[in-house]
Amino acid sequence: GAVVSQHPSRVICKSGTSVKIECRSLDFQATTMFWYRQFPKKSLMLMATSNEGSKATYEQGVEKDKFLINHASLTLSTLTVTSAHPEDSSFYICSAGTPGANVLTFGAGSRLTVL
Amino acid sequence: QQQVKQSPQSLIVQKGGISIINCAYENTAFDYFPWYQQFPGKGPALLIAIRPDVSEKKEGRFTISFNKSAKQFSLHIMDSQPGDSATYFCAASLGGTSYGKLTFGQGTILTVHP
Repeated sequence: GAVVSQHPSRVICKSGTSVKIECRSLDFQATTMFWYRQFPKKSLMLMATSNEGSKATYEQGVEKDKFLINHASLTLSTLTVTSAHPEDSSFYICSAGTPGANVLTFGAGSRLTVL
Repeated sequence: QQQVKQSPQSLIVQKGGISIINCAYENTAFDYFPWYQQFPGKGPALLIAIRPDVSEKKEGRFTISFNKSAKQFSLHIMDSQPGDSATYFCAASLGGTSYGKLTFGQGTILTVHP
């Protein structure tokens, strides 16, 4: 089945630094990937849609300058949290659709803790 | 219009029992209704999904019941097992090129006692 890999699974950083999270589709090509955010014991919220070769589209209320998304290849999308602050601490999860099936596969998530 | 409301917030079931989780939506344009299972510290995994032209779908111990007129759908887990203890999310999307833009319910924490 389709596999989506995320790295790192956990990251701790100091306030003011930037953190990059990678999302890879391992056995298929994904022209579109989706980034979600999940607070503890809460639901998932869509942040943005990552499009290969073009700009990401962000959901209302998501700061595009804070959360930089790059989708440089058909198997890799990256999310960079810039100038991170403690309120950015969260579980970030990416997902990609299996071509032709429109079934979404999620990665294992990346837990960001900003001190 | 984009909300998906899920209940109950938590559910305790004895091993072998039936677990039932309900969801209601408002946007009649939603075209795809998946259920996800999530274990602590992991990403959600697709359990089963349904489209509005079908009233019921069964896969193993998992069944989705869909009521288009009431704008409700539910997940039934038959013969619940301790390994089913997890958080369950219903979701909905517009389908087509927007299939990946899921609106999630609030989640249900299921505990199955041995």
